[in-house]
Amino acid sequence: GAGVSQTPSNKVTEKGKYVELRCDPISGHTALYWYRQSLGQGPEFLIYFQGTGAADDSGLPNDRFFAVRPEGSVSTLKIQRTERGDSAVYLCASSLGQPNSYNEQFFGPGTRLTVL
Amino acid sequence: AQSVAQPEDQVNVAEGNPLTVKCTYSVSGNPYLFWYVQYPNRGLQFLLKYITGDNLVKGSYGFEAEFNKSQTSFHLKKPSALVSDSALYFCAVRDYNAGNMLTFGGGTRLMVKP
Repeated sequence: GAGVSQTPSNKVTEKGKYVELRCDPISGHTALYWYRQSLGQGPEFLIYFQGTGAADDSGLPNDRFFAVRPEGSVSTLKIQRTERGDSAVYLCASSLGQPNSYNEQFFGPGTRLTVL
Repeated sequence: AQSVAQPEDQVNVAEGNPLTVKCTYSVSGNPYLFWYVQYPNRGLQFLLKYITGDNLVKGSYGFEAEFNKSQTSFHLKKPSALVSDSALYFCAVRDYNAGNMLTFGGGTRLMVKP
């Protein structure tokens, strides 16, 4: 079956612009996660959805970052007033999620965001 | 807070030799431990996980990992390395009592030479 898909694969924008990154999780996966991976580092947690609600948004760096999952499937990560420091690969993952689940997370290929 | 350390930025091994990629962790509660592999321009692929039970966990592509509670380690191993195993490997931990997020180590690049 299809894995996690993310669009676009690459996004180049100018400082101060608004961007949206999309994630399509594996069908039937109720849990969805966003991570950010900077060059040479491991992924860092941003936000976790269980169904439509954000169960944990403690990793969002500031209020320029926001994510939604209105129907419990596709999710969009939104970044306002982008800064050069936002440049990174944004990874989405999904899992068969229940609270306190130990199910592994399946990752998409990522969106490489470059802010000029 | 939970954390993961991968002390080696790179591990070099000859094809056919055994390999070990090290990982240590810190959590306040019981850990769930994971290994992922990342090939160039591709997403993270799940290799194996430790939840409970047998300390030796077997995963994909002949990899295995040993959970050691006293040393808070979860080293990745393979008896005989292949050139195609060359990739970036990430260890991750989830604290059972701290939500569903994964905390990743910084990654270890494995280079297997013919």
